[in-house]
Amino acid sequence: DTAVSQTPKYLVTQMGNDKSIKCEQNLGHDTMYWYKQDSKKFLKIMFSYNNKELIINETVPNRFSPKSPDKAHLNLHINSLELGDSAVYFCASSQTPGNTIYFGEGSWLTVV
Amino acid sequence: EDKVVQSPLSLVVHEGDTVTLNCSYEVTNFRSLLWYKQEKKAPTFLFMLTSSGIEKKSGRLSSILDKKELFSILNITATQTGDSAVYLCALSNFNKFYFGSGTKLNVKP
Repeated sequence: DTAVSQTPKYLVTQMGNDKSIKCEQNLGHDTMYWYKQDSKKFLKIMFSYNNKELIINETVPNRFSPKSPDKAHLNLHINSLELGDSAVYFCASSQTPGNTIYFGEGSWLTVV
Repeated sequence: EDKVVQSPLSLVVHEGDTVTLNCSYEVTNFRSLLWYKQEKKAPTFLFMLTSSGIEKKSGRLSSILDKKELFSILNITATQTGDSAVYLCALSNFNKFYFGSGTKLNVKP
């Protein structure tokens, strides 16, 4: 059973399009995250939700909008995609904020 | 500003060698330091360290934390080609994690 699952795994899309990545965790965790990993493998926090409430919102363009319908789900919607948005987006969860985080398999986004 | 610095950035060794990966950090409110291994896909959890001087061990991997000097090391003994990966160090300050840029380890047969 996959603990943190995200879809789609791979996404190739054109500049200017809008796309969403979905994430679900079945670990019973309260906290979920979106991380962006660039080509140099640097993982950067984008957003964090705790019990459906936004607790971390790093300096991210407002084209990125997270949504947490319940504490087991955290989706990421991206408007007007740009070339620089190409990256791997990882969803993750932890029992509580700052506790050990467990990652999904990543969503490889390529903007052409 | 809280931050994590890993060294070396990359490392090439031969099977059977022992390697030491370094992670130094600055933090205002330390909670824990974690090590992850990332191969092709998601980072997988290795260790969580909260106390100084207590070694965590799992097979050929071990890690220790020094909260006075603000660093941690990850040791891998008798390396195997399957150890080839990026090793990430992450710092938790009770609110969020800061990741280092990783050490890319390449173990040659």
